[in-house]
Amino acid sequence: EIVMTQSPATLSVSPGERATLSCRASQSVSSKLAWYQQKPGQAPRLLIYGASTRATGIPARFSGSGSGTEFTLTISSLQSEDFAVYYCQQYNNWPPYTFGQGTKLEIK
Amino acid sequence: EFQLVESGGGLVQPGGSLRLSCVASGFTFSSYGMNWVRQAPGKGLEWVSYVTGTSSTIYYADSVKGRFTISRDNAKNSLYLQMNSLRAEDTAVYYCARLYCSSTDCRFDFWGQGTLVTVSS
Repeated sequence: EIVMTQSPATLSVSPGERATLSCRASQSVSSKLAWYQQKPGQAPRLLIYGASTRATGIPARFSGSGSGTEFTLTISSLQSEDFAVYYCQQYNNWPPYTFGQGTKLEIK
Repeated sequence: EFQLVESGGGLVQPGGSLRLSCVASGFTFSSYGMNWVRQAPGKGLEWVSYVTGTSSTIYYADSVKGRFTISRDNAKNSLYLQMNSLRAEDTAVYYCARLYCSSTDCRFDFWGQGTLVTVSS
């Protein structure tokens, strides 16, 4: 089973600033990596798939990069609605699909 | 508009059973693989089970194998999760999620709002 590790667990950033979230896989997942955003009481929402492709309707301030075992989600200029928990997920080697433990992005 | 609506959650005693449902609308349900994903209170996401559009292939997480059964009825646009021998650690919000596959990639592109299962005496 591929283990996904996200860092940091909590990230405090001011609105308008850049946020950089990291995700590491225990073995290569090629580019089969997705990012999800989850707000309190809501279902996860797909942001990025294929490591760097934005899902339909996702603003351009969200970008993903990386391949193999190291991945990054960057939010270029944080808006108030971006403060949430973010999860990465690998789908290169499944079952099982595996998720990271999440990064909570909070307002500084 | 795509919609996935889960139901069937509730309070159940340890060792008991529960059947979750997920009704889909706005897309051709039979053309998509479907998943169940759960989230324990205050915790992260855990994939539970997957079924192809034709039910020809099914997978389970080790944590539920032998206790949970995924199924679907394409005529009713419905996905199910039969949960038996429930344990306290099965307490979670259960989401159904659609698997969308293009020629080069697959992803969980749409999720329902979830249904809460609480296992407690």
